[in-house]
Parts: sequence; C-alpha cells; structure tokens
Amino acid sequence: DTEVTQTPKHLVMGMTNKKSLKCEQHMGHRAMYWYKQKAKKPPELMFVYSYEKLSINESVPSRFSPECPNSSLLNLHLHALQPEDSALYLCASSQDPRGAQNTEAFFGQGTRLTVV
Amino acid sequence: ELKVEQNPLFLSMQEGKNYTIYCNYSTTSDRLYWYRQDPGKSLESLFVLLSNGAVKQEGRLMASLDTKARLSTLHITAAVHDLSATYFCAVDINMNRDDKIIFGKGTRLHILP
Repeated sequence: DTEVTQTPKHLVMGMTNKKSLKCEQHMGHRAMYWYKQKAKKPPELMFVYSYEKLSINESVPSRFSPECPNSSLLNLHLHALQPEDSALYLCASSQDPRGAQNTEAFFGQGTRLTVV
Repeated sequence: ELKVEQNPLFLSMQEGKNYTIYCNYSTTSDRLYWYRQDPGKSLESLFVLLSNGAVKQEGRLMASLDTKARLSTLHITAAVHDLSATYFCAVDINMNRDDKIIFGKGTRLHILP
C-alpha cells in the first residue's frame, strides 16, 4: 500500500467557519508534510512533522494549525481563513525524516479548498 | 536559501520529437525527485534519484542526476500526446536532521498531435 489518503476531496467554507483537513498513511512513514498549491504554481511547503513532532513551520499564518495525533494521521485545522487561502492542499509522507536512503515522498490526491 | 530552477517553464512540441527539461539547484542535496501533475490532479511520482550519476528510465522518460553540477535532466524521447502535463523537479535538503522538499516552478509540457 503506497497510498496517502486525504479527505475531503473538496471543501467550501466561509471565512468564519472552522474546518479540518485529514491525511492518513499506513506505510509506516515517520515524516509527514503539508503543502499548499495555488493554480499554475508549484507546491509550497507549509509544515513538516517528524516522528509526530512539528519540525518545520514555514512561517504559516496561525489560522492554519497542524496536528499529528499519531504516526499515521495528520490534520490541518482551519479557522478564519481568507479567500486568498483558496488552493489545493497536498499532504505527503516519506519513510524517514533523518536522511535515510531510498526515501521517496508520496503525495495524496489533495483537498481543493475554496474560501468564500 | 535553496533555489530550484527549472527550464523551460513552458514547452510546446510536436509528437515524435525529443526534448530535455533542466533542473538546477543551489545547495547540496543527494536526493532529487521528478513529479508529473495533470490539471486539477495531485502529483504523481516519476523518479527518485539518489546518487551522483543516477539514471533512471521509464518508457519515454529518462532522468539523470549530476550532484556535482547540481543539475538534473528529464529527457523525453519521441513524445506522445499523453505526456502533456506539468513536470516538477523537487530537491530534498536536510535541515537540522529533518527533510525539506522544495519544488521548482514546473515545466508545462504541451505535445501537439
């Protein structure tokens, strides 16, 4: 199983709503990532979790709040978003965050978020 | 600051032709990825290149890595319409023992039938 599963696939939310994006993998990967991708742009790294601990935050606004409840799950909690936060949010995982060989990053199908 | 530069950013080519996409990066890394993305879809892993001189081939695509020159190439042989997509290279750097994967801007490939 080389799958990273993201839910929901699509989400429309108002600027006062609170919602969460979910990501799950069962490959035993210990690094998990959130990326944001705007149309016709490359994915931009938001957060990296390493062994369930937040290790990299790329100066993401606090209205995005990541959470890693266990080694298989990664959430992204959303609150008071702006229309410009509308994008494709991609989750990825890789085997070992400490530079082991054969580390390949697998991406989920993404959540297409629209903030109205 | 790590920079990952791809060129060209847009490529329109005829079926049957060969072409190469280039990916330069600015800091030491020994892991480089190539991904394909179709419109509205997620990223599909094409190649993982792990060492200097690595060359991998899958169908009409071949990727290589020169870590000394900090350069990777994705070569397309006898292009077919189905290869139309955006191709990203991504570089894996190790920051304080944690990995950070940074993407190039992508190459939009449009293959004319």
